[in-house]
Parts: sequence; structure tokens; C-alpha cells
Amino acid sequence: GENVEQHPSTLSVQEGDSAVIKCTYSDSASNYFPWYKQELGKRPQLIIDIRSNVGEKKDQRIAVTLNKTAKHFSLHITETQPEDSAVYFCAARGADRGSTLGRLYFGRGTQLTVWP
Amino acid sequence: NAGVTQTPKFQVLKTGQSMTLQCAQDMNHNSMYWYRQDPGMGLRLIYYSASEGTTDKGEVPNGYNVSRLNKREFSLRLESAAPSQTSVYFCASSWGADEQFFGPGTRLTVL
Repeated sequence: GENVEQHPSTLSVQEGDSAVIKCTYSDSASNYFPWYKQELGKRPQLIIDIRSNVGEKKDQRIAVTLNKTAKHFSLHITETQPEDSAVYFCAARGADRGSTLGRLYFGRGTQLTVWP
Repeated sequence: NAGVTQTPKFQVLKTGQSMTLQCAQDMNHNSMYWYRQDPGMGLRLIYYSASEGTTDKGEVPNGYNVSRLNKREFSLRLESAAPSQTSVYFCASSWGADEQFFGPGTRLTVL
């Protein structure tokens, strides 16, 4: 199956700075890469995703880039704010077929802390 | 719409006890999932159901069983709880391979 690695495990930035979280995946056939944000005590929620036919996607202060050749993708948060503090998970969906359709493989998470 | 709901929110068990975690979704999704979340380990898939009537093992299925009762409901059963099963359990659902929506989680402690 797919193997997703995520770095760093913790990240501290000053308010207003940028934050970058990186993930690598092993299955070159993976075709969907979502990012989830989980605030303390809450459920994970999708913040942005990218598909393998696109190299970059932006949504206000958040962007994701995908390098299929190198098999890595990154989350970029600009102008960080204290409310961006949370755990962020990357995931990859393998190109499995049939009953495994939709299965996601998650990274271990990055604890982002934004200091005011 | 309530989205994905889970019961109970919290549970404490003694080693060897059994229990069932309930999950329901009202989004007409065909796929449902059970994850466990442990510190530093991310979200690990226990079991999933790609459609009503089918279930498959994920990364960490040992000690668990599941039932896809109907399209809306997907339950997770611990037959003989062990301290290693202390965790936060999340149910999720999706329409096929699209975005997964998570429930609020169940915090389980096994003494």
C-alpha cells in the first residue's frame, strides 16, 4: 500500500510569517492529495486538496503544490494567524480499484503553533 | 443535516469488556471508515466499507469487528477490550473517492 511521510512534526512561527509542511508518498499511481486541519479536541476537517493533474492550487492564504516526479506535495500558509494553530495532516489516495476506492493514507501530522 | 454523528463521546472500559461504537451519516454517502488516532501516529484506518454490504480491513484491524448495518450506519465492535485500544476513534464517510467527512470522535479509555 501507500506510505506517506510528513515533516516537520512540530513547527513554530511568528504571526505574519509563512509556514510550510511537506509530505512524500511512495505510490506513483496516487492521484488525490488532501490536507486536513484538526484543532484541539475537534474533528479533522478538509482545508484544501489537489489532484494529480494539477501542479498548484490556492485558496486565500493557503496553497498546495504537487511534484509528481519527486512524489512530494506541500502545504503553504502565508500571513499566519494564531487561529492557524492546529495539527495538520496530509494524505494520499492510492490508485487502488474496486472496494479500496476512496481509501486515504495519512501522514503522522504536524503541530503548527503561531505565536502572536 | 447532522453530517456524521458518533456515540458515545466518551467511554471507560475495563480490560476484557466489550462495547460497540456507533456511527451514522445523513449525507447519502456510500463509503464509510473507522480510524483510530494516537499521539504522534496520525490517523490509522481500522476498517472501511466502500459500499453497503462490503467491509474491508485497514492498517490496524486486529481486535476489532465492524458491521455496515445499512447505508447510513457503520458500527465498530471491540469484543475484548485491551489497554492498547485506548485511543480516540473517528468515523468518516465519503461519496466514493471524494472528500471524507469526519464525526466528532469517541474518546475510549481501557483500564
